[in-house]
Formats: sequence, C-alpha cells, structure tokens
Amino acid sequence: DADVTQTPRNRITKTGKRIMLECSQTKGHDRMYWYRQDPGLGLRLIYYSFDVKDINKGEISDGYSVSRQAQAKFSLSLESAIPNQTALYFCATRHRFGGTDTQYFGPGTRLTVL
Amino acid sequence: GIQVEQSPPDLILQEGANSTLRCNFSDSVNNLQWFHQNPWGQLINLFYIPSGTKQNGRLSATTVATERYSLLYISSSQTTDSGVYFCAVDNYGQNFVFGPGTRLSVLP
Repeated sequence: DADVTQTPRNRITKTGKRIMLECSQTKGHDRMYWYRQDPGLGLRLIYYSFDVKDINKGEISDGYSVSRQAQAKFSLSLESAIPNQTALYFCATRHRFGGTDTQYFGPGTRLTVL
Repeated sequence: GIQVEQSPPDLILQEGANSTLRCNFSDSVNNLQWFHQNPWGQLINLFYIPSGTKQNGRLSATTVATERYSLLYISSSQTTDSGVYFCAVDNYGQNFVFGPGTRLSVLP
C-alpha cells in the first residue's frame, strides 16, 4: 500500500463549485504539505502543517484553505473554484531522521476547472 | 526569497549516453534534494544532498554548497530515466523551493 495517498486522483468541476482534495499518510510524519504544479513549472507551496494545531500559508495560498483533521490527514479546499486553479496537486510529508531530511509525495490529483 | 535555476530546461539523449543536470541557487542552503517525476506524474526522491557527493547505481549527485550549485549525473541512460528532474532547496526556513525542472527524454 502507498504511504501517502490522495483522493480523488482526477476531478473535473465547474467554476464556482467547492472542491475538497484529501490526503492521508501512514508514515507517521508530523509535517505535511500541499503543492500545485502547472505545466512546465516546478512545484509551488500552497499550505503546510507541522502538526494538527500548526497550519501555515505558503507562497500561493489565496483561494485555498486547509484542514488538518489528524496527524495522518490533511485536506485542501477550493471554496469557489476558478479556471486558473486547473493544475496537478500534490500532497507530501517530510521527515527528518538520522542525518537525512526527505519529502515523500502522494500520486497527485489532476484538477480541471471548467 | 531564494531563487533556484536548473539547466538545461530540456535534454534529449540516446539510450546509453551520459548526462549532467545542473541546479544553481541564490543563497546558502541547509537542505537540497533531487527528485524525478516520471511520465505518469509520480515524484520520487533521488538524493538528499546538502553538500558532498552521493551515488546510487547509475545516478550520482554532487553539491558544492560554497559555490551554490548541485549536479546530478546520469550514466548509461535508459528509457526509464525519462521524465522531469527537479532540484529543491531549503535555506534554513520551513519549506522547500523547487526549481523549474529539466525535462529528459531518452530515446531507444
């Protein structure tokens, strides 16, 4: 089983709709992240969380909100989707241990807003 | 904030060839990672390498932190190496900043 899972994997929606993307992890990591990737670009940070009570805005948080329901779950919401939010969305965890510091990514959610 | 550049933006190789991908960053960093995004979109961590050199099979990476760059070497490339390679850095902040990536195509 995958350590970081995302649902749904693909979603097509219309402008103005509310959308929730969900992320779950079985790695036991405290730090979780949401990124978006646009064609030809790298990943940009939307929100991040260091634990259930610690949530922070990233580089491009406008139009998004998040909820950290538990250590293992971190959801991203688009309150009123717009076409320029069409992108590939990734959830990730981060773990620092034994001299390493690594991010682990989910498979991504491809979102299309019409 | 810190800026990350990668070169070349695109690279086409014949199977069996070697290649070097470069990542430049604008400030000192305490963390640098290389990722591979396969053609299906999955992101895989290749190296955690804030300094020094590491090797893993046909891949190796070197970071010269004092000169603010990192290199990813791919030897004897295979078609399965195709995809996009990202460099990501953390400059003592809380988060990673990703470069724009190098798109590699390995032809059979």
